[in-house]
Amino acid sequence: AQSVTQLDSHVSVSEGTPVLLRCNYSSSYSPSLFWYVQHPNKGLQLLLKYTSAATLVKGINGFEAEFKKSETSFHLTKPSAHMSDAAEYFCVVSEGQAGTALIFGKGTTLSVSS
Amino acid sequence: EADIYQTPRYLVIGTGKKITLECSQTMGHDKMYWYQQDPGMELHLIHYSYGVNSTEKGDLSSESTVSRIRTEHFPLTLESARPSHTSQYLCASSVTNTGELFFGEGSRLTVL
Repeated sequence: AQSVTQLDSHVSVSEGTPVLLRCNYSSSYSPSLFWYVQHPNKGLQLLLKYTSAATLVKGINGFEAEFKKSETSFHLTKPSAHMSDAAEYFCVVSEGQAGTALIFGKGTTLSVSS
Repeated sequence: EADIYQTPRYLVIGTGKKITLECSQTMGHDKMYWYQQDPGMELHLIHYSYGVNSTEKGDLSSESTVSRIRTEHFPLTLESARPSHTSQYLCASSVTNTGELFFGEGSRLTVL
């Protein structure tokens, strides 16, 4: 069975410093992995996705994530945080392409201070 | 920006009332979904549809019902709301077989 664990419920950084949001997954097959972002009072928006192509995936707003099969991880990073990055981030695993097969993590709240 | 809309955004009602949460998308997507989201918890799929006249229950048991009479419209109904139904409900749609979902902004329901 597939599952996803977001290792930090809350991450706080200063503006201009790097961001690291950690995600581990469990899957019996070659998974597809996603990161979604949810700003306050907004819907979720896809940041990036991994679907068995390049292991380093670049997304929107300067975010990227690296798929590490040996570590079963898919951590999200950004070199320099911006105030507008403050939001909730969800790591998602899927063993298929269908939306019904998506398993969401509990989310990580990113706070950015000036 | 995704073209998927949910109304109402916020709703406070009393126990026993019937409510319908509306969801519409203008992207022509076949697949649509309803998720339930509570603070600090995973999103849980409660209903989905593969197209017109197709509806299925998701992983999380829910007393709500859905219908899909038109491609663009996927309303969710609670016949008799209870305080346990207090939650945020997110509607989403997808292009077939991509795994990428487009979400609405959510409907936050409070049942007193």
